[in-house]
Amino acid sequence: ETGVTQSPTHLIKTRGQQVTLRCSSQSGHNTVSWYQQALGQGPQFIFQYYREEENGRGNFPPRFSGLQFPNYSSELNVNALELDDSALYLCASSPTIWTNEQFFGPGTRLTVL
Amino acid sequence: AQTVTQSQPEMSVQEAETVTLSCTYDTSESDYYLFWYKQPPSRQMILVIRQEAYKQQNATENRFSVNFQKAAKSFSLKISDSQLGDAAMYFCAYRSPPAGIGASGSRLTFGEGTQLTVNP
Repeated sequence: ETGVTQSPTHLIKTRGQQVTLRCSSQSGHNTVSWYQQALGQGPQFIFQYYREEENGRGNFPPRFSGLQFPNYSSELNVNALELDDSALYLCASSPTIWTNEQFFGPGTRLTVL
Repeated sequence: AQTVTQSQPEMSVQEAETVTLSCTYDTSESDYYLFWYKQPPSRQMILVIRQEAYKQQNATENRFSVNFQKAAKSFSLKISDSQLGDAAMYFCAYRSPPAGIGASGSRLTFGEGTQLTVNP
């Protein structure tokens, strides 16, 4: 069984640019959540997608947006990058929204210069 | 909103010894779930143990056990017979029971983490 994968592993952008991060959920999982983990802090919930629809959002501005595709892979898009967006971005998949456990990917390290 | 607090930024333990990591949380809900996650340098968040609030019995997973005090809103993790591979950042996390489509109950709220060092 393939676990959660994320790409790229790390990337560097400059302020004002746009970035797309990708996540491939574990097989059979229809729910994906995205988290932002700033250096030295715990992860913060960005949003969750269930069957291609947004199902809950944390305290993040609209320039953070997402997509979930029919195969349940997903994207996190961030527009107008700011220096404070530098962080580790984690995605986590679950079999359904009613499942307690979330299975995390290895994360994408984003650096904004 | 729920909050999770880990008051120990760093802890250290000798190999084969026992260490306890502390976690407190604040919530007005009566039903919820608590987790301990481990994040090694590889960054992969790994579930260590979970506890359902409605269960009075403390969860145990091999060398890992919790002390869940619901009234005190405390959820500590005990690692017995510590091993070098236990060295990592440990996060306590809270989750409301999912309330279905359109609800936001299935998010995890994390504490700030405790960096555990295991000395040989």
